[in-house]
Amino acid sequence: AQTVTQSQPEMSVQEAETVTLSCTYDTSESDYYLFWYKQPPSRQMILVIRQEAYKQQNATENRFSVNFQKAAKSFSLKISDSQLGDAAMYFCAYRTRDGLTFGKGTHLIIQP
Amino acid sequence: EPEVTQTPSHQVTQMGQEVILRCVPISNHLYFYWYRQILGQKVEFLVSFYNNEISEKSEIFDDQFSVERPDGSNFTLKIRSTKLEDSAMYFCASSGIGFYEQYFGPGTRLTVT
Repeated sequence: AQTVTQSQPEMSVQEAETVTLSCTYDTSESDYYLFWYKQPPSRQMILVIRQEAYKQQNATENRFSVNFQKAAKSFSLKISDSQLGDAAMYFCAYRTRDGLTFGKGTHLIIQP
Repeated sequence: EPEVTQTPSHQVTQMGQEVILRCVPISNHLYFYWYRQILGQKVEFLVSFYNNEISEKSEIFDDQFSVERPDGSNFTLKIRSTKLEDSAMYFCASSGIGFYEQYFGPGTRLTVT
């Protein structure tokens, strides 16, 4: 069974600084997809970024980028120029066929 | 921008009662999913649905649960006889052909008393 591990229950960063959230996963598959979702206090799940395992190039979406290390099974999220609106729970997720497998999440606090 | 909608936003029910949670996926999507999140815990996959049948389900999705697409727009999750431990946020999600992102609805908070 696939597992997703987020080892940082909580992270804090100053506004305008950069923060990196870590995620590792365990799988025997070679073809899969990885995602980061954001969950603000409203509890809505918002897709932040995705990465296809067959792509070597790291995905980027504006201030959000990933560092995908396939051999190490690592998928970290970097948030540049942190803003107050970035404060939320961040969940790493893995997918092969259907359902997403989520990590336990990292609570990101933005210090003004 | 199209979005997944869910009703109701909050449902309170008594133990042993049946509940139906409703979802309207994004209109051109063909894959539908239900997840649940017990307060303070991670999001857990329940079931996926494609072409009018279940394509995958987790061990959480036992005989108390069922899903249905009763018409061209709605996708429902039924819990036959609710238990206290069914209290959770239930999320519906959908995705289109060739797209691996799943787009989530705002969730229904189910409270079983």
